[in-house]
Amino acid sequence: AQKVTQAQTEISVVEKEDVTLDCVYETRDTTYYLFWYKQPPSGELVFLIRRNSFDEQNEISGRYSWNFQKSTSSFNFTITASQVVDSAVYFCALSYSGGGADGLTFGKGTHLIIQP
Amino acid sequence: DTGVSQDPRHKITKRGQNVTFRCDPISEHNRLYWYRQTLGQGPEFLTYFQNEAQLEKSRLLSDRFSAERPKGSFSTLEIQRTEQGDSAMYLCASSPPVGKQYFGPGTRLTVT
Repeated sequence: AQKVTQAQTEISVVEKEDVTLDCVYETRDTTYYLFWYKQPPSGELVFLIRRNSFDEQNEISGRYSWNFQKSTSSFNFTITASQVVDSAVYFCALSYSGGGADGLTFGKGTHLIIQP
Repeated sequence: DTGVSQDPRHKITKRGQNVTFRCDPISEHNRLYWYRQTLGQGPEFLTYFQNEAQLEKSRLLSDRFSAERPKGSFSTLEIQRTEQGDSAMYLCASSPPVGKQYFGPGTRLTVT
């Protein structure tokens, strides 16, 4: 069975601070995919990134970066120089297919609050 | 690309009533998914269609839940004999054959 754990329920930082959201996953599949989604107050989930289990290279996209470490089954997400607009709930998710054809398994989410 | 749309956005119903939600996926997407999200939790996968075929339905929460996608375009999710525990946000997502899932805004169900 697949499982995603986001141990941080809520994080509050002041604008311009860096913040890291943790994600630990469990799966017996050798091929799998990891995702991060953002859910702003409006409620609609926004896709941020997808990585497959064979690609452990870190990814950077603007102020966002992701650190995938198979050895610790973690896929952490860092926001550099946070902004108020980054305030949202962030979900880490797992599937065994790239398109999520089996359905995504989500963590419980981390509520990120960026204070001005 | 008009995005995934869901209707209604909010539904209030009395316990025991049947409700039906509609999802219109992005037009070129052949895959469609339903999820349920309760307060403080991540979305929970319910079912999945590839075109009109429902390829995964074992995760539907009970036999009161059913979904259809008759022509491979829009889909409906029906809950019969609603219970207070069914109160949640119901999310629809669509994707192309290989690609990320795009989510709709959700239908918030309140069972009184």
